[in-house]
Amino acid sequence: GAVVSQHPSRVICKSGTSVKIECRSLDFQATTMFWYRQFPKQSLMLMATSNEGSKATYEQGVEKDKFLINHASLTLSTLTVTSAHPEDSSFYICSAPLAGDLSDTQYFGPGTRLTVL
Amino acid sequence: AQSVTQLGSHVSVSEGALVLLRCNYSSSVPPYLFWYVQYPNQGLQLLLKYTSAATLVKGINGFEAEFKKSETSFHLTKPSAHMSDAAEYFCAVSAGSNYKLTFGKGTLLTVNP
Repeated sequence: GAVVSQHPSRVICKSGTSVKIECRSLDFQATTMFWYRQFPKQSLMLMATSNEGSKATYEQGVEKDKFLINHASLTLSTLTVTSAHPEDSSFYICSAPLAGDLSDTQYFGPGTRLTVL
Repeated sequence: AQSVTQLGSHVSVSEGALVLLRCNYSSSVPPYLFWYVQYPNQGLQLLLKYTSAATLVKGINGFEAEFKKSETSFHLTKPSAHMSDAAEYFCAVSAGSNYKLTFGKGTLLTVNP
């Protein structure tokens, strides 16, 4: 149980285009999901908290107009990188906790490798 | 506020040797502590977690970690390294019900034959 998927696993796009990444909880409902960015050989940096039915909460320094988050259902959150530029190239990972699990355990998706040319 | 410090960005051991990956944390409230493993180009897999029950926590793949409040540590160990253990390991702390995790910078484990 507690499987999280991401789609696509890898995407290459041209500078200036927008890219949408999906994060799905396959066997549980997730009222909250998290989006992280990981640069090569670095740790995960939390970008934003996605809340079902309400606005996302962004971490300091993350542009909310550039990284659009939509949590339209209890099993799906999407991250759209708008007007992508080469510096947005990174590994994007989502995670979700089990609702009611007070241990705060998060289950991670397999990640999406974004390359902006 | 909470933080995690992983001592040693790279640890190299021989196959069959003891694995010790160090993690120290800082938290203003009783923490929940986690170790995750990441293989290349993959997401994170939970190895084990401490949630204020037993201080010695056993996880998957033969790993275990001991919570030591007096030392604010949560070091990860495995008695005998296997080639398949080669990966990046992240220690993380959560200090409340907001589910936010704060990660350490990670430790790359290399296992030599």
